[in-house]
Amino acid sequence: GESVGLHLPTLSVQEGDNSIINCAYSNSASDYFIWYKQESGKGPQFIIDIRSNMDKRQGQRVTVLLNKTVKHLSLQIAATQPGDSAVYFCAEISMDSSYKLIFGSGTRLLVRP
Amino acid sequence: IAGITQAPTSQILAAGRRMTLRCTQDMRHNAMYWYRQDLGLGLRLIHYSNTAGTTGKGEVPDGYSVSRANTDDFPLTLASAVPSQTSVYFCASRAGTGDGYTFGSGTRLTVV
Repeated sequence: GESVGLHLPTLSVQEGDNSIINCAYSNSASDYFIWYKQESGKGPQFIIDIRSNMDKRQGQRVTVLLNKTVKHLSLQIAATQPGDSAVYFCAEISMDSSYKLIFGSGTRLLVRP
Repeated sequence: IAGITQAPTSQILAAGRRMTLRCTQDMRHNAMYWYRQDLGLGLRLIHYSNTAGTTGKGEVPDGYSVSRANTDDFPLTLASAVPSQTSVYFCASRAGTGDGYTFGSGTRLTVV
């Protein structure tokens, strides 16, 4: 079950700095992972994805790293901007027939001006 | 604009009442999902449907039912609401295996 409850881990960064958000996943058989951004009052928004046959994928200002040995994902945001302030979730796709998303615990990113 | 429409946006509901949350997508996606998100937590799957005419149970299905009469609509029904069903409900759809999801804007439900 979830362990974060009401107290999301928070990462506070200075505008312009790089941000690194970490996530552990549970199923070593999972082969597809997604990072989502969720702003207050909105649904999750797709940021970037990665398949298990890759260890790194880059997008615009974002990079996802996958370490299958330790079942760890990270999201790197370059030159963090105030608009990046949100809660970030990693998710893995379930390998059963539902192909449901299994969400990790979120991290709140606060960008200081 | 293609996407997912959820209604209502928010609702306050008396315990014991029946309520249906609506979800409609216009992307012709095969799979649809209902998730709930409790304060500060990630989303948890309630029910899903891989194609019209089929449904399945997720992690937290008790107290909820769904139907999938056609591709576009996937309503979620609370037969007799209880306070523990106070949450934000998100509908999502997916085009195919492994594809990214599209989420609706959510329905904030408070059961009192």
